[in-house]
Amino acid sequence: SQQGEEDPQALSIQEGENATMNCSYKTSINNLQWYRQNSGRGLVHLILIRSNEREKHSGRLRVTLDTSKKSSSLLITASRAADTASYFCATLVNTGNQFYFGTGTSLTVIP
Amino acid sequence: DAGVTQSPTHLIKTRGQHVTLRCSPISGHKSVSWYQQVLGQGPQFIFQYYEKEERGRGNFPDRFSARQFPNYSSELNVNALLLGDSALYLCASSLGTHSNQPQHFGDGTRLSIL
Repeated sequence: SQQGEEDPQALSIQEGENATMNCSYKTSINNLQWYRQNSGRGLVHLILIRSNEREKHSGRLRVTLDTSKKSSSLLITASRAADTASYFCATLVNTGNQFYFGTGTSLTVIP
Repeated sequence: DAGVTQSPTHLIKTRGQHVTLRCSPISGHKSVSWYQQVLGQGPQFIFQYYEKEERGRGNFPDRFSARQFPNYSSELNVNALLLGDSALYLCASSLGTHSNQPQHFGDGTRLSIL
């Protein structure tokens, strides 16, 4: 079963706009990671945020984590057509060694 | 450096057959994980191996098994294939176990069951 749920399921924006997608999860975590998947390809790691961190930046990416609400958000600023992909959050649960992926947000950036 | 490589890229099988999927991790990575991704969904964790030992197992039936070799490459075996096993099977490697480390994915094996 999925540990995380992304919202929205699909998002369509114009090039240059910002894209925000959210992730909610169910249990305590060690860290939360965001991945991108282009159609028919493997996943690419974007950013990792630890459970004791609240915000992290990497280039045009900004990730926030609210462990009290069990949620995270990924902001992509100044989007480009090349950002078109599916985005997944992934969590490592404190107990056990399982890595859970959410259901994904499909982002389309229109040139 | 080569990334994670998986073979074959595509595979067609019939119900009841078995299949072996292969994965070569990034050089120096000792951990390999396997995921099943059904169309339109996120990857589902199947197994993690580290230093040739199973370190994690997802909620999959015993028809699914895996192993890791001394060179850290890995195989995923699925017996008695069902139509529902049709999916993209992804392999990911990391330096150590999952904690606080990104995973590096291959492009997967697309398995179709007829």
